[in-house]
Amino acid sequence: GAVVSQHPSWVICKSGTSVKIECRSLDFQATTMFWYRQFPKQSLMLMATSNEGSKATYEQGVEKDKFLINHASLTLSTLTVTSAHPEDSSFYICSARFPVNTEAFFGQGTRLTVV
Amino acid sequence: AQSVTQPDIHITVSEGASLELRCNYSYGATPYLFWYVQSPGQGLQLLLKYFSGDTLVQGIKGFEAEFKRSQSSFNLRKPSVHWSDAAEYFCAVTNAGKSTFGDGTTLTVKP
Repeated sequence: GAVVSQHPSWVICKSGTSVKIECRSLDFQATTMFWYRQFPKQSLMLMATSNEGSKATYEQGVEKDKFLINHASLTLSTLTVTSAHPEDSSFYICSARFPVNTEAFFGQGTRLTVV
Repeated sequence: AQSVTQPDIHITVSEGASLELRCNYSYGATPYLFWYVQSPGQGLQLLLKYFSGDTLVQGIKGFEAEFKRSQSSFNLRKPSVHWSDAAEYFCAVTNAGKSTFGDGTTLTVKP
C-alpha cells in the first residue's frame, strides 16, 4: 500500500519556540494532504487541508497564523507550530490523498510536548 | 456534512468472547468507511475499509465489518477477542481524502 512518513515521531520544545513537522508521501504524489490533531483521550480532529501550490484551508477555530502549513511539492507538506505553548502539546497526524481516489493514507504521527 | 457516531465509549469483553463495536454514519452519497485501531501512544492502523461491493468486509487480525445502508451502520466484529486487541478503535468516513472520525471506543479485554 501507499506509504506516508512523518518526521519527527516525537519532539520536545520550549515554550515560545517554533517546531516544524514534515509529512511525506513516499511512493505516490499527493496533491492534497490533511493535518489532524489528537488531544489525549480524544478523537482526531481535522485542522487543515493542504493543497499543493496553494494556501491551506483551515477548519473553524484553528489559528492559521499559529499553525503554518506549506505544501510546496507533490510529496511534502509541512506543519509549523509557531510560538508553541504547553496547550499545543498534542499528537499531530497527517494524511495524504491517493490520486484519483477518495482514500487517504496516514502518517505515524508526531507527539509534540511543549515545556 | 459527514459525521460518525460511535455509541459505545468503553466496552469490556472477556478474552475469547465475541466483540461488536458499533458505528453509525451520516453522509449524503455512497460512503467510504474505515475502521482504525490505535494503541496508546501510537498512530493509526487500518483494520479494514469499505468502498463498494460486498457489504461484508474482511480485515486484518481477524476483524470483519458489515455495511448496512438501511441502518447507516458499519459495525466491527471479531468472533474471539485476544488480550492484544485491547486498544482504541475509531470508525471514520472519508470524502475526497478528508476523514471524519467518531469519538472512538476503548476496548478492555479481561483475562
